[in-house]
Amino acid sequence: GDSVTQMEGPVTLSEEAFLTINCTYTATGYPSLFWYVQYPGEGLQLLLKATKADDKGSNKGFEATYRKETTSFHLEKGSVQVSDSAVYFCALSVLYGNNRLAFGKGNQVVVIP
Amino acid sequence: EPEVTQTPSHQVTQMGQEVILRCVPISNHLYFYWYRQILGQKVEFLVSFYNNEISEKSEIFDDQFSVERPDGSNFTLKIRSTKLEDSAMYFCASSRRSNTGELFFGEGSRLTVL
Repeated sequence: GDSVTQMEGPVTLSEEAFLTINCTYTATGYPSLFWYVQYPGEGLQLLLKATKADDKGSNKGFEATYRKETTSFHLEKGSVQVSDSAVYFCALSVLYGNNRLAFGKGNQVVVIP
Repeated sequence: EPEVTQTPSHQVTQMGQEVILRCVPISNHLYFYWYRQILGQKVEFLVSFYNNEISEKSEIFDDQFSVERPDGSNFTLKIRSTKLEDSAMYFCASSRRSNTGELFFGEGSRLTVL
């Protein structure tokens, strides 16, 4: 079935470091791809999305490019801040007219001052 | 800023007991969802709800689960007879449209079944 795989384990890095979180997907159709973020004490919220191959989603300094050839949607940020500490979830949606999302496990990101 | 609110934040129950998790979606949203995340696993879709009926449900959402919108503001998930494997974080979400992938989630209700 349709699924998303995120890299294992938490990510700890220093402020101003470069962040990459890997996400790969398996889908039978043409998925839309998403990154959601959950800050401490809050619900998941949409960070960015891309709906077709080669699209780049961006928001708050984060970027992810929909790569059909590698079935990937890696999240990147050039210079992280302490306020970026959160859990990041990769997700996909395949069926049109449907908000049924397939999520990954999530990655805890901790940014140290 | 409007938000989805969920209660309780944490519930501990004995196996076999009924549990009701409550959610207040964003007021002008029309589509409602429940997802759950068992510790260490992926966030999983349970059910979507529109126009006072279930529009889609996953294989996880068996006869032990039910949802309703009893009063036009609350959206509830009921588990009739809880099992140990129902222990998870349950997330409610709502959206204005059905096909954008943009869902607004609550903070979650952690259910612990003993």
